[in-house]
Amino acid sequence: NAGVTQTPKFQVLKTGQSMTLQCAQDMNHNSMYWYRQDPGMGLRLIYYSASEGTTDKGEVPNGYNVSRLNKREFSLRLESAAPSQTSVYFCASSEVLVGVNTGELFFGEGSRLTVL
Amino acid sequence: SQKIEQNSEALNIQEGKTATLTCNYTNYSPAYLQWYRQDPGRGPVFLLLIRENEKEKRKERLKVTFDTTLKQSLFHITASQPADSATYLCASNTGFQKLVFGTGTRLLVSP
Repeated sequence: NAGVTQTPKFQVLKTGQSMTLQCAQDMNHNSMYWYRQDPGMGLRLIYYSASEGTTDKGEVPNGYNVSRLNKREFSLRLESAAPSQTSVYFCASSEVLVGVNTGELFFGEGSRLTVL
Repeated sequence: SQKIEQNSEALNIQEGKTATLTCNYTNYSPAYLQWYRQDPGRGPVFLLLIRENEKEKRKERLKVTFDTTLKQSLFHITASQPADSATYLCASNTGFQKLVFGTGTRLLVSP
């Protein structure tokens, strides 16, 4: 049982390049999330998908786009990377939408992105 | 603004002692608080959830309290072990129906 799988684990980009972070979960969860984690800032929500076919902005959505490809997969795209997007990105999933309902988040192992 | 805060300084304790970590919130009343453990280079892992109408929750050596008067949750690890060394994050729902995280407190347990 893999849980939440993120790819790639590490990536170095130059300013202006684009890339997509992939996330897949095998727990049949309805809701999926993308967070970024920066030193001293904690985990901040970028985008989330309450259920298949829906996506919504979180706290820090600027510079990102997402796609809920199906119930299992939720990708995060950086169209034109900037040094401020250097961070560790975590995908997470939950059975129901947290915040609205009680429920735990299951996180992937993270994708470490450096933008030069 | 709504805030959830944890002590950013690392907590150093001796093996066998009880570790107590603090999570404070301001300008809102969460319906629940969660605690996660994060090891270096890994994603957070859920540990415990406590609801606003619960004063205390236990799981093995872990205990969480929720004091709505003090606007605070305490996370205790009894009989701590070096393997408990990690960063512990608290999280809560907000009035905007989102889950927000504190910055985490690093716990170091020395043998």
